[in-house]
Amino acid sequence: NAGVTQTPKFRVLKTGQSMTLLCAQDMNHEYMYWYRQDPGMGLRLIHYSVGEGTTAKGEVPDGYNVSRLKKQNFLLGLESAAPSQTSVYFCASSYQASSSYEQYFGPGTRLTVT
Amino acid sequence: QQQVKQSPQSLIVQKGGISIINCAYENTAFDYFPWYQQFPGKGPALLIAIRPDVSEKKEGRFTISFNKSAKQFSLHIMDSQPGDSATYFCAASTMYSGGGADGLTFGKGTHLIIQP
Repeated sequence: NAGVTQTPKFRVLKTGQSMTLLCAQDMNHEYMYWYRQDPGMGLRLIHYSVGEGTTAKGEVPDGYNVSRLKKQNFLLGLESAAPSQTSVYFCASSYQASSSYEQYFGPGTRLTVT
Repeated sequence: QQQVKQSPQSLIVQKGGISIINCAYENTAFDYFPWYQQFPGKGPALLIAIRPDVSEKKEGRFTISFNKSAKQFSLHIMDSQPGDSATYFCAASTMYSGGGADGLTFGKGTHLIIQP
């Protein structure tokens, strides 16, 4: 049981390049989330999904797109990277249960855009 | 507009002392209030959480105090240990009636150092 895994762990992009971050969970969770963490800012929600084939915008969605084609995977895309997107990106997942709402976080992807 | 305000930004406590971190929220629709612990290079991990139907929840050395009328909640770490040194985040969310919830709104974090 690997929990939540993220690929890649590190990446350096040049401005204007595109990339996709992959999040995978093996806990059969309905809900998945993408956050970004910047120094002194806490974590901020980018996009989230309440089930396969559904996505919704969070607090800071601009410049990102997401897809949830399979229940276990949640992809975060940057179509044209900007230096402001330099951050640590965390994926999380949780059950759809009224008794438990723990979000399980992955180890993060550190992205630098030059 | 910052919906969850956390203080202090950093905190130094002697081993064996009590660490206290405070948070205040604005959105009255929030009904789930967790605290997450994060070590350097790792993802956050749930420490303890509370719903607004209780004013206090205790798990081991960790206690959440919740004041619904003041829209404030706090984390108390009793008998603080060097291994508790980490960054702590409060958060808030709104739960769905059928289970699950919106994403979390986090505070900006508190860097806690426990001195031996």
